[in-house]
Amino acid sequence: SAVISQKPSRDICQRGTSLTIQCQVDSQVTMMFWYRQQPGQSLTLIATANQGSEATYESGFVIDKFPISRPNLTFSTLTVSNMSPEDSSIYLCSVARDYGYTFGSGTRLTVV
Amino acid sequence: KNEVEQSPQNLTAQEGEFITINCSYSVGISALHWLQQHPGGGIVSLFMLSSGKKKHGRLIATINIQEKHSSLHITASHPRDSAVYICAVETSGSRLTFGEGTQLTVNP
Repeated sequence: SAVISQKPSRDICQRGTSLTIQCQVDSQVTMMFWYRQQPGQSLTLIATANQGSEATYESGFVIDKFPISRPNLTFSTLTVSNMSPEDSSIYLCSVARDYGYTFGSGTRLTVV
Repeated sequence: KNEVEQSPQNLTAQEGEFITINCSYSVGISALHWLQQHPGGGIVSLFMLSSGKKKHGRLIATINIQEKHSSLHITASHPRDSAVYICAVETSGSRLTFGEGTQLTVNP
C-alpha cells in the first residue's frame, strides 16, 4: 500500500500563529484529502487537493483559514492560519487507492 | 440524522470473545470501508467492501447493499484489538463520510 510521511507529528502553537503540515506520498496520486478530527469526534473532510488546480473545500471550511498547496503528484501541504484553541485537533492527510485508503500518521495540534 | 451510524459506541469484551460492530448508512455508496484507529491517532484501512464478505485473519466484514448495513466481526478477540473502529462510506469523487467510531476495549 502507499506510504505517507506526514509531519510534524505534533505541535503546540500560540494563538494567532499559523502551522503548515506536510504530507509526502511514496508514489504519484491524483487526489489527496485533508481531514480534521476534533477531540472525541470522528473525521471530517476539510478539502480535496488536486495537482494543478485549486483545492475543493467542504462546507464550513474556507481557503483563507486552511490554504492548501499541491505542487506535484506526491506532495501537499495544509496550513492552519490564525489559529485559535478551537483549532486544536488531529489533522490527517489521505490518498485513495484501488484497494482502499492510506492515511498519514496525523498531526496532533494544540493551540494555547 | 447522520449519514453513517455505528453501534455500539463503546464495547468492552473479555479476551477470546466474538465481537460484532454494526454500521448503517443512508446514502448511495460506491464502497464501504472499515478503519482502525489506535490511541496515537494513526489510522489503518482494514477492509473495502462493495458487496458480500471479506475475511482477513480474525477479522470478517460483511455488507448488505439492499439493507444499507455492514458488520465487522472479530473472532477470538485479543487485548491488542483494543482500538477505535470506524465505518466510512465512499460516495462520488472518492469522498469518505465517517461514522462516529466504536471504542473497543478487550480485557485480558
